[in-house]
Amino acid sequence: GDSVTQMEGPVTLSEEAFLTINCTYTATGYPSLFWYVQYPGEGLQLLLKATKADDKGSNKGFEATYRKETTSFHLEKGSVQVSDSAVYFCALSGGATNKLIFGTGTLLAVQP
Amino acid sequence: DGGITQSPKYLFRKEGQNVTLSCEQNLNHDAMYWYRQDPGQGLRLIYYSQIVNDFQKGDIAEGYSVSREKKESFPLTVTSAQKNPTAFYLCASSIDGRRESYEQYFGPGTRLTVT
Repeated sequence: GDSVTQMEGPVTLSEEAFLTINCTYTATGYPSLFWYVQYPGEGLQLLLKATKADDKGSNKGFEATYRKETTSFHLEKGSVQVSDSAVYFCALSGGATNKLIFGTGTLLAVQP
Repeated sequence: DGGITQSPKYLFRKEGQNVTLSCEQNLNHDAMYWYRQDPGQGLRLIYYSQIVNDFQKGDIAEGYSVSREKKESFPLTVTSAQKNPTAFYLCASSIDGRRESYEQYFGPGTRLTVT
């Protein structure tokens, strides 16, 4: 079945460092891809999405490109801030039910 | 202000008791979803509803029940048959549950502890 694999954390970076969180997927058909962020004790917030191959989603300095040839949707940010510390989830949605399938999440800790 | 509300934020119950978690949305969304989150794991789908008066089992429906009598409301009951009910429960909604391109919006979650 469909699945999402993302790099295990925690990822610890210093402020202003470059961030990459890897995400790869397995799916039949052409899913939509999402990155969600979860701050401690809260629900998930949509960070960005891409709905077809070669689409680039972007928001708040974060970017991810839908790469069909490598089945990947890696999250990047050029300069992280302490306020970016959170858990990041990669997810896909496919088929006629819009069910989301999540990766296990990656904890990002940014130190000042 | 549109959004999804879940109440209460924290819930404590004794083993063997059923408990109902509330989820309300004023986004006029057709589809609603319940997920369970355990430490160090991603979210797993419990139930979903694409339209009023209809719902489907997700990947881990055993020990749970839902109803969808109103578009705005999708309560989840955790029954005594659920073996490990302690978890963080998240409700979500989307405009149309039949299109994969529509994102889901999440509520703030309810942390359930059963002792």
